[in-house]
Amino acid sequence: GAVVSQHPSWVICKSGTSVKIECRSLDFQATTMFWYRQFPKQSLMLMATSNEGSKATYEQGVEKDKFLINHASLTLSTLTVTSAHPEDSSFYICSARDWGRGGHYEQYFGPGTRLTVT
Amino acid sequence: GIQVEQSPPDLILQEGANSTLRCNFSDSVNNLQWFHQNPWGQLINLFYIPSGTKQNGRLSATTVATERYSLLYISSSQTTDSGVYFCAVGGGGNQFYFGTGTSLTVIP
Repeated sequence: GAVVSQHPSWVICKSGTSVKIECRSLDFQATTMFWYRQFPKQSLMLMATSNEGSKATYEQGVEKDKFLINHASLTLSTLTVTSAHPEDSSFYICSARDWGRGGHYEQYFGPGTRLTVT
Repeated sequence: GIQVEQSPPDLILQEGANSTLRCNFSDSVNNLQWFHQNPWGQLINLFYIPSGTKQNGRLSATTVATERYSLLYISSSQTTDSGVYFCAVGGGGNQFYFGTGTSLTVIP
């Protein structure tokens, strides 16, 4: 149980175009999802917290107009990188919280999306 | 946000050796998880352990919440244990913050 998928796994786009990444919780409902980015040999940096039916909460320094997040249902959150530039190239990972059998929230992560902007 | 530091940053072990990875955090937490990131980037859940001790096979973890640290023990390491190990914590809000990671290489 507690499986999170992401699509696409990898994408190459030209500078100036927009890219949408989908994150789905496959076997549970997630009122809260999270988006991270990871540069090579570095840790995961939290970009934003996505709450179903409401606006996302962005971390300091993350441009909300550039990284649009939509959490329209309990199983789907999307991240759109608008007007992408080469410096946006990164590994983007989503996660979802599941209220598990242990009586607590636990984070589960998608496989990630590797974005390359040329 | 909560600051999370892990040590050591890099670790090279001979197959069969044991190791201890440490995670220090700067504030009280209500969620602490350990993950293994495989070479393809997938994060695999190892433990949910905001306090206490748990064991799963060759892995075990202990969190001393009052002293703000957690330890991950790997015994009889195997080459498949190689990868990056992260701890991540959550406090009173929704945010969930990752540590700096420990890169483990197990050589045959």
